Parts: sequence; C-alpha cells; structure tokens
Amino acid sequence: DIVLTQSPGPPSLSPGERATLSCRASQSVSSSYLAWYQQKPGRAPRLLMYGASTRATGIPDRFSGSGSGTDFTLTISRLEPEDFAVYYCQQYGSSSITFGQGTRLEIK
Amino acid sequence: EVRLSESGGGLVQPGGSLRLSCAASGFILSTYGMSWVRQAPGKGLEWVSHISGSDGRTHYAESVKGRFTISRDNSKNTLYLQMSSLRADDTAVYYCAKDPWGYGIDYWGQGTLVTVSS
Repeated sequence: DIVLTQSPGPPSLSPGERATLSCRASQSVSSSYLAWYQQKPGRAPRLLMYGASTRATGIPDRFSGSGSGTDFTLTISRLEPEDFAVYYCQQYGSSSITFGQGTRLEIK
Repeated sequence: EVRLSESGGGLVQPGGSLRLSCAASGFILSTYGMSWVRQAPGKGLEWVSHISGSDGRTHYAESVKGRFTISRDNSKNTLYLQMSSLRADDTAVYYCAKDPWGYGIDYWGQGTLVTVSS
C-alpha cells in the first residue's frame, strides 16, 4: 500500500496567516485520487478537496490544493478561527485507501 | 438531505463478534460506493472496508481481511459491518461513509464506538 506522510505543520499560527500543509506519498499517486479532510474534536471528518485541487461542495475559496506525483499541498490563504483543526490527506489505490497521519493546526 | 446513522457499537470481549449497522437516507445506498473508516482513541483515520455501488465488489484493509465483512441490504437502505475475532486494537470509533471511490468521502455518519476489552 502507498504510505502518505504529512508534515508536522507549523507550531502555531494566527488568524489571517497563511497555512501550507504537505502530504508526501511513498510512490506516485494519481492526482485524480488524492483528497483532503478537516476534522475537529469529537466530529466526523469533512471533505475539503478531491482530485487534489477540486473544492468539495460548500468549501470556501481560501482553501486550495495542488500537487502531483508524490507531493501534494493544501493551502489555506487566510486562516479563520474555525480552521484550526486536524487535516488529513487520503489516496485511493487500485483496491485500498490510505490516509496520512494528520497535521494539527494550532492557534497562536 | 443525505444522512448516515450508525448503530451497534459497544463493549465486546476479545475474540468476540459485533455487527455494525448504518442506516442511510436521502440517497439510494446501492447506487453509491460506501466505506467504513475507523479512528482509534486519539489516533488518525484508518480505512477499513469498501463496497462498490455498481457491482457490490468489496475491498478490505489487510488488518481486517478475513475477520470483517461488509454488506448491504438494499431493501432497508442499510450498510453493515460484521466483525469477528475482535482484538484490542480494533477498539475505535467506526464511521460509515458515502464513498464513490475516487471522488472523496463526501458524507460521514456520526460514528459508533467499539471497545474490545475483557
């Protein structure tokens, strides 16, 4: 199975700052099959992006995704207080799904 | 409105069995792929199993292969996860999710907690 490794993320950020989250795959992933999720404590995850760069329904345009091959990025252009959460990348293989270990965004 | 509601979680002894149910509303379950995803306490997300909407083909994570079975009852619009030979490391919140393979998991239930302990 493909392993997804997410960067630890910055120690903390302030509202209004830009956040860049990284997801690296152990082998090439089809961009069509890379997604990002946001999870808040005690809640189910929420789909943010699919196809590496397509925003899911209702996701504000301050969220954007990019990347190809083995390196993918989720960018939040200007952090809002509600954006402080854990973020997961996820890929679809031929017959399995794997998630990254998650990156926690903490408010300064 | 799409809704997914899991039930069937609880405390079970190691080696025991449990069946989780996920009642779907707002869409026809059999026309979409569905996944089970779990999350151990304080840990990340782990995919467990998927059933295809078109042909009912199933896939499993290696960690549960041979012990868990995903299925659905189209007449009840309900998804199931039959779990057997349960181990302590199966302890987690189990989420039912609408997953049209490749397009992201777009709807999630609230989760049901399974605790495997003696």
